[in-house]
Amino acid sequence: KNQVEQSPQSLIILEGKNCTLQCNYTVSPFSNLRWYKQDTGRGPVSLTIMTFSENTKSNGRYTATLDADTKQSSLHITASQLSDSASYICVVSEGSNDYKLSFGAGTTVTVRA
Amino acid sequence: EAQVTQNPRYLITVTGKKLTVTCSQNMNHEYMSWYRQDPGLGLRQIYYSMNVEVTDKGDVPEGYKVSRKEKRNFPLILESPSPNQTSLYFCASSLRISSYNEQFFGPGTRLTVL
Repeated sequence: KNQVEQSPQSLIILEGKNCTLQCNYTVSPFSNLRWYKQDTGRGPVSLTIMTFSENTKSNGRYTATLDADTKQSSLHITASQLSDSASYICVVSEGSNDYKLSFGAGTTVTVRA
Repeated sequence: EAQVTQNPRYLITVTGKKLTVTCSQNMNHEYMSWYRQDPGLGLRQIYYSMNVEVTDKGDVPEGYKVSRKEKRNFPLILESPSPNQTSLYFCASSLRISSYNEQFFGPGTRLTVL
């Protein structure tokens, strides 16, 4: 059973609008949570990395939040651009084994002009 | 340029014909890993390596082999490929796996087994 669930599966937004992606996980103990952006046909690229003690981290127009108590994270995209069209993947690592990663299935974002 | 390279990028083969997908990184990273990505399933780890001569199974190791004879290379070997191994494969590396070590992914290898 996948321990990282992402929602929605896909979404379409207009250029310039904001959107929020959700990630719920059951991985325990928890070490860190990462968000990746994956353009079609390319490898994922890291956006943010947060440990259990951090509850927000930004990378330009991307802001990730983490609530380790409820085991939820979100990725907020501000003022979307056409180049934001991609799949966004939530990845959680176990507390005892940092190299044990659990990947979400991703949320596909399409930004339209 | 710091990067992870994979070869080939695309491969079509037939059942049972042994193949190797190469992965190389030029960042002196200790940790390397192989993943497969299938629609709706997300990335799943096949094998990983903490350092030279140290490898271990991930979540879906059946039908695959790896080796780590030198730090920069981590080839993925399919001794007898089957159609259910048709997938998009990614190699990744990081300095070490810890909370703040970013993982760098290669461009992917799209494999089709007929």
